[in-house]
Amino acid sequence: DGGITQSPKYLFRKEGQNVTLSCEQNLNHDAMYWYRQDPGQGLRLIYYSQIVNDFQKGDIAEGYSVSREKKESFPLTVTSAQKNPTAFYLCASSMGTGTLAYNEQFFGPGTRLTVL
Amino acid sequence: RKEVEQDPGPFNVPEGATVAFNCTYSNSASQSFFWYRQDCRKEPKLLMSVYSSGNEDGRFTAQLNRASQYISLLIRDSKLSDSATYLCVVIPMDSNYQLIWGAGTKLIIKP
Repeated sequence: DGGITQSPKYLFRKEGQNVTLSCEQNLNHDAMYWYRQDPGQGLRLIYYSQIVNDFQKGDIAEGYSVSREKKESFPLTVTSAQKNPTAFYLCASSMGTGTLAYNEQFFGPGTRLTVL
Repeated sequence: RKEVEQDPGPFNVPEGATVAFNCTYSNSASQSFFWYRQDCRKEPKLLMSVYSSGNEDGRFTAQLNRASQYISLLIRDSKLSDSATYLCVVIPMDSNYQLIWGAGTKLIIKP
């Protein structure tokens, strides 16, 4: 079955630690995205990548870093510089960007990060 | 003003009733619109796209009003399984095709 996987489902971190959230897709999608969702708010874009070895900052990139070394993988690192990292993190992918047909985003099940 | 606004609800609706909610957007250059559904503590999933001419899929009807800058979602004969949060998504023409998400409207269908 094709889809997007994220791991772990729940993650607890102590203040001052960096953590990396995994995102893998086997949909052969070019574009991948990381969002953060907080209670009562819409999804906010952290980073996105339209092609391997290239990525762009979204609206709230500070305190986060990503890499896109393979088409299938787009890991997100939450660094100690992120002041309020407790949130629900969602990874998504789409065929690409640029036309309506390519815009549907498919999401992974998410990772709930809690900073203790 | 937020780029995309939705009434957070919750909308408490008896099973079998018809319910409708709107989503307003501020960027008049917006060109693509979607409704996503998100179950509690799950990921969003595409419910339907919203075309200029409207879009109907079974019990669900989505409409676009460009003049007033809002989209709507109508659910007829609501089922218990329709209980979820409905997220409005807008893609402005000048945004490099990045999605702008509303905060969602929570719908609770009661037996």
